[in-house]
Amino acid sequence: RKEVEQDPGPFNVPEGATVAFNCTYSNSASQSFFWYRQDCRKEPKLLMSVYSSGNEDGRFTAQLNRASQYISLLIRDSKLSDSATYLCVVLGATNKLIFGTGTLLAVQP
Amino acid sequence: DAGVTQSPTHLIKTRGQQVTLRCSPKSGHDTVSWYQQALGQGPQFIFQYYEEEERQRGNFPDRFSGHQFPNYSSELNVNALLLGDSALYLCASSSAGDRSIQYFGAGTRLSVL
Repeated sequence: RKEVEQDPGPFNVPEGATVAFNCTYSNSASQSFFWYRQDCRKEPKLLMSVYSSGNEDGRFTAQLNRASQYISLLIRDSKLSDSATYLCVVLGATNKLIFGTGTLLAVQP
Repeated sequence: DAGVTQSPTHLIKTRGQQVTLRCSPKSGHDTVSWYQQALGQGPQFIFQYYEEEERQRGNFPDRFSGHQFPNYSSELNVNALLLGDSALYLCASSSAGDRSIQYFGAGTRLSVL
């Protein structure tokens, strides 16, 4: 079983749609969680950290369910510029980041 | 304020050759981590350096080695290249205050023919 699992997509959605990505992780001792965004042939960039209480940044909402070892990212009012790969990331022991394979989002005009 | 810089941006090598990739961390950061990203996959952790020593290592063979210099910059060396080593190699830097927040460079795209 992979340490971090994501649906690879692609998710094809129209502009203005709401889209949700899900991710599960295997190590119940994990303490820190993140969503990164990666544009085609570019480096990953931190989108947001994920906190137990859930957190929001504009159109983006991240949630964590420790009991189910499940992380989610919700994007409201999708823009063309949101098209990218979204990587679910868990901080492993000793500060190494463990990445999922990423979910490809394509927002259509 | 320069971010994380990596060189070269692209590299083509043949099987059996050796390669050295370079990384300069973001200003104020002392920790460098290296990741390998194969096509269609998420980045995989190779190793992490701080205080000029390898501190953590992922599941990569000894052909992958590294170094950190007193100015915190780092090198990744790969010996006896295999076709499967073709990937985007990413360097990420972080500070001692919070090594979980890592900033990535643009990467070096290595093609092994």
